[in-house]
Amino acid sequence: DAGVTQSPTHLIKTRGQQVTLRCSPKSGHDTVSWYQQALGQGPQFIFQYYEEEERQRGNFPDRFSGHQFPNYSSELNVNALLLGDSALYLCASSLNRNTEAFFGQGTRLTVV
Amino acid sequence: AQSVTQLGSHVSVSEGALVLLRCNYSSSVPPYLFWYVQYPNQGLQLLLKYTTGATLVKGINGFEAEFKKSETSFHLTKPSAHMSDAAEYFCAVKPARGNNRLAFGKGNQVVVIP
Repeated sequence: DAGVTQSPTHLIKTRGQQVTLRCSPKSGHDTVSWYQQALGQGPQFIFQYYEEEERQRGNFPDRFSGHQFPNYSSELNVNALLLGDSALYLCASSLNRNTEAFFGQGTRLTVV
Repeated sequence: AQSVTQLGSHVSVSEGALVLLRCNYSSSVPPYLFWYVQYPNQGLQLLLKYTTGATLVKGINGFEAEFKKSETSFHLTKPSAHMSDAAEYFCAVKPARGNNRLAFGKGNQVVVIP
């Protein structure tokens, strides 16, 4: 079992650009949640996808959007990048939205 | 809404000494509580969780935590610190029913002194 996998592991973008991060959930899981972890902080919930729809959303602007595919994998898109978007982005998967969440290794995004 | 308070961002402990990390939560509904560990440049690994039943829960690597509803606390302990325990630790809460949205504390960076 490969667990939750995220790609890429690191990337650097320029202010104003757009970025797409990818997540493959743990085998058998159907729910994907995304979290942003700024340096020195705990993870903050961005949104959750289940049955290809956004089901819950945290306090993040519309520049943050996502998608879930029929195979349950997910993408996080961030438009018009700001320096403050620099963070570790974590993906977590679970089954039926209510079971234990398993986290991936994260994608380290640096905006310059 | 749920929230978590972890005091003291950095905690230093001598090798072999007790590790104690404090977590207090706020929740409008019965909570599920979690402790996660994060090693440098890695994701989060679940140490232990409280859902229902026994309030003293044991996790991996010798850690345990006790859910105290009257004190709204879920403190993490380990009797004897090892060098390998140096990491960042996060307490998290989510409602027992309804959604799988975790609310995390700010974390404790644990330094183990030889």
